[in-house]
Amino acid sequence: DQQVKQNSPSLSVQEGRISILNCDYTNSMFDYFLWYKKYPAEGPTFLISISSIKDKNEDGRFTVFLNKSAKHLSLHIVPSQPGDSAVYFCAASDSGNTGKLIFGQGTTLQVKP
Amino acid sequence: GAVVSQHPSRVICKSGTSVKIECRSLDFQATTMFWYRQFPKQSLMLMATSNEGSKATYEQGVEKDKFLINHASLTLSTLTVTSAHPEDSSFYICSASHFRGGKETQYFGPGTRLLVL
Repeated sequence: DQQVKQNSPSLSVQEGRISILNCDYTNSMFDYFLWYKKYPAEGPTFLISISSIKDKNEDGRFTVFLNKSAKHLSLHIVPSQPGDSAVYFCAASDSGNTGKLIFGQGTTLQVKP
Repeated sequence: GAVVSQHPSRVICKSGTSVKIECRSLDFQATTMFWYRQFPKQSLMLMATSNEGSKATYEQGVEKDKFLINHASLTLSTLTVTSAHPEDSSFYICSASHFRGGKETQYFGPGTRLLVL
């Protein structure tokens, strides 16, 4: 039972354009969502998060949007840079459940120069 | 801030031996640490939740006698893979919880690549 899904295994965009990574979830108890970036053979790096009381959070080039009714969130990167090429994982947690994170399968982003 | 280290970064061992992996939070105290496992091109799978001073909570299907977890202090958790077999070869990653903006956020270590021959 995949509670957090990233249906696009890969995404390719041109440098300078917008990258949009999508994530869907099924558990309505999730109230905190995070995006992590991961390079091969390294641990994930925290990028940005959003609480369920908000529908948007912005940090520099990264913006996360949350649509609770659709159980959908997305990460926008603009402008995209070649250094953004990595695997992006979305994760969700139910704050009342020990802070355990449930991860999506990841989306590999390639930003072409 | 919120730096997590892991040691070793890579280990190769013979089948039947035990391997210990350390996870440290360097600039904060973490009452809760998590251990994950990642197979190639797959997502991170939570193995167990480690709480300082108490027994770890293991996810379904994870053998607690196989993967021993000790959380002796607020900055150190260890995972010991006992009697390792080739199928235990994987990428093991720990994380430590740190409050950020009123919410607990997990910060990850760099991972440990285990290869069992």
